[in-house]
Amino acid sequence: DGGITQSPKYLFRKEGQNVTLSCEQNLNHDAMYWYRQDPGQGLRLIYYSQIVNDFQKGDIAEGYSVSREKKESFPLTVTSAQKNPTAFYLCASRGTGGISGANVLTFGAGSRLTVL
Amino acid sequence: DAKTTQPPSMDCAEGRAANLPCNHSTISGNEYVYWYRQIHSQGPQYIIHGLKNNETNEMASLIITEDRKSSTLILPHATLRDTAVYYCIVRLGNTGTASKLTFGTGTRLQVTL
Repeated sequence: DGGITQSPKYLFRKEGQNVTLSCEQNLNHDAMYWYRQDPGQGLRLIYYSQIVNDFQKGDIAEGYSVSREKKESFPLTVTSAQKNPTAFYLCASRGTGGISGANVLTFGAGSRLTVL
Repeated sequence: DAKTTQPPSMDCAEGRAANLPCNHSTISGNEYVYWYRQIHSQGPQYIIHGLKNNETNEMASLIITEDRKSSTLILPHATLRDTAVYYCIVRLGNTGTASKLTFGTGTRLQVTL
């Protein structure tokens, strides 16, 4: 089945450590996104990528880094510079599906990061 | 992007229709209305989208007012599994280069027995 796989589902990290969250898709989608969600809040955009080897900062990119070396993969690194990294992280990809479908996002199941 | 306004929460009895409103008074002529929902601790799921005509699929119906300044998502026979946060977003259909798709806080729908 086509979809997006995020791993790990749960992750614990000590302060000062970097951690990388994996996001893999087999939907042949060009665009991929990373969102952060805090309890009771909406989704905030961290980074997005339209194509391999290209990505742009979202609204809250500070303390995060990404890479897009392959179309299928868009890993997110939460660095020690991120002051409040404990959150639920969601990866998504965007299909084309014609003009009207250009904003239909497919999301992964999420990764919950807790900093101890 | 046009800003959307949704009530923070709603209740609905199981088996009844759930009508979730969304205001988007600054929507432009070529912007679509999209609805997603997020069940607790899962990734959001696409439900439906439309431009100006009413739309229906196996999950829901979308009613867009004639002036396009508001819309209503209708779940015709709500079940307990429809308890979720519902997001309404407005965006251009053809976004060209990568675009920032932002989600607000949505409406928390609680379906009760």
